[in-house]
Amino acid sequence: SQWGEENLQALSIQEGEDVTMNCSYKTYTTVVQWYRQKSGKGPAQLILIRSNEREKRSGRLRATLDTSSQSSSLSITGTLATDTAVYFCATARNNYAQGLTFGLGTRVSVFP
Amino acid sequence: EAAVTQSPRSKVAVTGGKVTLSCHQTNNHDYMYWYRQDTGHGLRLIHYSYVADSTEKGDIPDGYKASRPSQENFSLILELASLSQTAVYFCASKQYAEQFFGPGTRLTVL
Repeated sequence: SQWGEENLQALSIQEGEDVTMNCSYKTYTTVVQWYRQKSGKGPAQLILIRSNEREKRSGRLRATLDTSSQSSSLSITGTLATDTAVYFCATARNNYAQGLTFGLGTRVSVFP
Repeated sequence: EAAVTQSPRSKVAVTGGKVTLSCHQTNNHDYMYWYRQDTGHGLRLIHYSYVADSTEKGDIPDGYKASRPSQENFSLILELASLSQTAVYFCASKQYAEQFFGPGTRLTVL
């Protein structure tokens, strides 16, 4: 597996709290994408971060990428119940034409 | 309007039977992909295609065939369905780095 994590992680938090989830990967990459999958739906891209950005923000989302430690994180500030989903990190297999390799994901449950 | 659609949304098949899952996209994207997702796991790539009438193997192609008769359509074929192929299957199309996923097909093989 390209990814170091072995099990789906699960986090339960209350609305309004901040949450951070992490991914570590084995194969060198300069781009990490984060996807969100809501129950019964396909994944949807949230944010893409490149190594020269180190940090990228989009609304309440903040992604980081540290190529030296081969890790990435996604933070959500002021969570809402609608943020309840599974969050995946993903990298290109060899190049983007050949598809993505997904991590196992983090299940985030936000309670009102 | 949904840009990537899949049919059927749910299917029950018998072991040894033939199953065809269909995907249609209106994104006008050249690249299309089939992934499977098992409970509690991420998505794994089965087959992909970058042009009509051509398909490529992904990470887990054994037991699956793919067909891309046109830019818009991409099918996944299980010639002899097995219990281990019970999963949710997602189709996606790609623009630059971002992939756009369909709603998935839940396949149960009995």
